[in-house]
Order: sequence, then C-alpha cells, then structure tokens
Amino acid sequence: DAGVIQSPRHEVTEMGQEVTLRCKPISGHNSLFWYRQTMMRGLELLIYFNNNVPIDDSGMPEDRFSAKMPNASFSTLKIQPSEPRDSAVYFCASSPFPSTGNEQFFGPGTRLTVL
Amino acid sequence: AQSVAQPEDQVNVAEGNPLTVKCTYSVSGNPYLFWYVQYPNRGLQFLLKYITGDNLVKGSYGFEAEFNKSQTSFHLKKPSALVSDSALYFCAVRDRGQAGTALIFGKGTTLS
Repeated sequence: DAGVIQSPRHEVTEMGQEVTLRCKPISGHNSLFWYRQTMMRGLELLIYFNNNVPIDDSGMPEDRFSAKMPNASFSTLKIQPSEPRDSAVYFCASSPFPSTGNEQFFGPGTRLTVL
Repeated sequence: AQSVAQPEDQVNVAEGNPLTVKCTYSVSGNPYLFWYVQYPNRGLQFLLKYITGDNLVKGSYGFEAEFNKSQTSFHLKKPSALVSDSALYFCAVRDRGQAGTALIFGKGTTLS
C-alpha cells in the first residue's frame, strides 16, 4: 500500500494567493483528517470527514480555509487568500472508521510558506 | 471533554539508559490510547496503542507503554535508549464512547 499521499510536498506562495493542498487517503479508509503543525501551536486538528461527510470543522481557523472531499479517494484543503501566519506543515491522515480503536495513518505533510 | 497532557516538553537521556515519556489523559468514559513518533521533516508514525486487555502494551522499535487507569496515565518506555530514538513523541486519546471522532493529541515531547 502506498500510504497516504499528499501533494505538493512543498509550497511557497505570496500573501493573497490561493493555495490548494491535496490528499489521497489509503484505499478502504472511511475517515480523513486534516491537521496543521507549527512550533507555536503544535499539532492542531482542522477538520475531519467520515464517509466523505465533514463531521467537525471547528478547528478551521477562519473562513479563508475550506476543505472538501468529493469522493472516497481525494480531499482538498484550500486557503484563499493566504497570509504569512498560515505558514505551517499541513498533514492529512486517514483511518478505517474510528469506532474500534483504529489508529490514524499520516501522510508526509505539505510544508507551506506564505511570503 | 477529552484532553491529553504531556508534562515535559523535552526529555534527555543517555544512550543505553532507560527512557520514559509521560502522558496523562482525561476522558469521560474509557479510553483508547496511542503513541506516535515524528522524525524531522516526516509525518507521524504509529508506535503502539492500548485498546483493552493487558495494561502493558508492546510496540515498534522496542517501545512499550503501560496503561494505568487509576492514575489516568499511559507512559511510554524503553529499557535501553538509542541515539536513533531522538524524535518528537505524541500521545493521543479517543473516548470509546465517542465513536467516529478524531484522536486528540498532546503537544508532544522531544526526546534527545
């Protein structure tokens, strides 16, 4: 299995530009999670989906952030417009439906730098 | 509300010595507990988990963790540390009664 795939691995953009991060979960996994990691805030849960449906987006920092999961094999996290404080590593994770103590499997992350 | 506390930002240990990384949790019901490790510029890797049964759980790379319900703790341990164990370690919890929810992670402990 290829594991969770994220693209791009690195993104450098200028303030005000739109940024789209992509994630392909492990085949057969029902749940998908987006996290953000910074030195100041640590690992933050942004949003997660069960069976392609957003369950909890209370961690999404602002309306500038949006996430979609149009099908079981693809999700996007979009920031529009981007700001320097959005600079972070964004992780996607997937798991089988988390009802029986299943662990989450993390992708390698996307390092976003907003200038 | 669920929460996880890792009281130490950093733990230093000499190679060959035993190591312990501490974790305490708070859930309204019974917990599922997890440990992850993150090496520089990498994603989080699953180490081990406690679901039920034996309170001592063994995982990858010689790590183990002990579930202590009375102390609400799940400390990560290894009998003999290696230089290659240097990394960031995260403890995580999910309440068994909260099916379908995301793991709640601690802030992480850097092991050096």
